[in-house]
Amino acid sequence: EPEVTQTPSHQVTQMGQEVILRCVPISNHLYFYWYRQILGQKVEFLVSFYNNEISEKSEIFDDQFSVERPDGSNFTLKIRSTKLEDSAMYFCASSDIRQGDGGEQFFGPGTRLTVL
Amino acid sequence: DQQVKQNSPSLSVQEGRISILNCDYTNSMFDYFLWYKKYPAEGPTFLISISSIKDKNEDGRFTVFLNKSAKHLSLHIVPSQPGDSAVYFCAALNTGTASKLTFGTGTRLQVTL
Repeated sequence: EPEVTQTPSHQVTQMGQEVILRCVPISNHLYFYWYRQILGQKVEFLVSFYNNEISEKSEIFDDQFSVERPDGSNFTLKIRSTKLEDSAMYFCASSDIRQGDGGEQFFGPGTRLTVL
Repeated sequence: DQQVKQNSPSLSVQEGRISILNCDYTNSMFDYFLWYKKYPAEGPTFLISISSIKDKNEDGRFTVFLNKSAKHLSLHIVPSQPGDSAVYFCAALNTGTASKLTFGTGTRLQVTL
């Protein structure tokens, strides 16, 4: 069964450093998403991406964040200068048609980001 | 911003019995609702969804009920199995304007033998 994969599973970084979280969505999917879950809190939407551009973003997704689909398979989330409060589990998701038209979002296993 | 709420952080049910997980929402623009299941160290796994034009959707042991007037939905699992032990998240979507899922805080279900 096709699945979303994410690397690394755990990333530890120093405050102020740049990190890139990587995702390989399901191959025929066209819509891509990043969510995060701070420990003990709910899963929060960050950004959605379709046709090589951001289609929607949340207030959390400020200028420190960017997304990219550098090739036909990877989807990345970059945090330019990490802060302590960026420590969270980051989930990538993809869907083949727009959610709500019947397409469910498939989630990856997550990358745990720890900012020291 | 608690547009989707799951007021029970945990629930314990005996194997074979019914599990009922509840979810309330405040945003009347939500018109599509989903339940996800999450095991530790894994991403959320889609379980079942319901459109606001329906009041019930069933898939095997899982049934979701939607009460639009009360802005309430519930997930019924019958019969409950030990493998169902996980955290269950309710999520909502406004299909007209957004693709983002708004999640509740989750309910940890423990199915005991």
